[in-house]
Amino acid sequence: GQNIDQPTEMTATEGAIVQINCTYQTSGFNGLFWYQQHAGEAPTFLSYNVLDGLEEKGRFSSFLSRSKGYSYLLLKELQMKDSASYLCAGSSYNTDKLIFGTGTRLQVFP
Amino acid sequence: DGGITQSPKYLFRKEGQNVTLSCEQNLNHDAMYWYRQDPGQGLRLIYYSQIVNDFQKGDIAEGYSVSREKKESFPLTVTSAQKNPTAFYLCASTGQGKRPYTFGSGTRLTVV
Repeated sequence: GQNIDQPTEMTATEGAIVQINCTYQTSGFNGLFWYQQHAGEAPTFLSYNVLDGLEEKGRFSSFLSRSKGYSYLLLKELQMKDSASYLCAGSSYNTDKLIFGTGTRLQVFP
Repeated sequence: DGGITQSPKYLFRKEGQNVTLSCEQNLNHDAMYWYRQDPGQGLRLIYYSQIVNDFQKGDIAEGYSVSREKKESFPLTVTSAQKNPTAFYLCASTGQGKRPYTFGSGTRLTVV
């Protein structure tokens, strides 16, 4: 199968740092996407990792270890508007289709 | 502006009726996708198409049908055979290579 696992819910405080983990079976994917989705809206693209290591984009960073089937999204200096669901998605080898995890709902408190 | 348009935003259907959700893109993208999202859940792939006149079943294709007669359009029909159709439906497209999807704004379908 091509399972992608991530925690269902997380909470954090405004101004803090939070790490959202994602694990997947290594045989199926050759890249990991992270999307942000506010309630009732479409997902928006955050990051894409195809090589091992850390990709930094402002307050958001994403890490990938292909050998371990592991990725994380790091959010720094949390703001209230970061309260949303964060979706991890694996990109399959032979097509451009994405397989999504269930999403992690992040709540940021003052 | 280029983008992907889904219509309608909200749709109500009586049990036993078929309904078609529209998805149109002007991004010149080859691949298009339909996902379903249930409350508190991730996205599950219904159908996808990588080229005109060709499409493939996703993980939950039963009770759904699609067509891809034009590059710009990928309508999804929810048939009466779909037992639990109430959900948020998202259409997406992408160009060649491992590029991020562009998503439409979604259609919320409710069976009444």
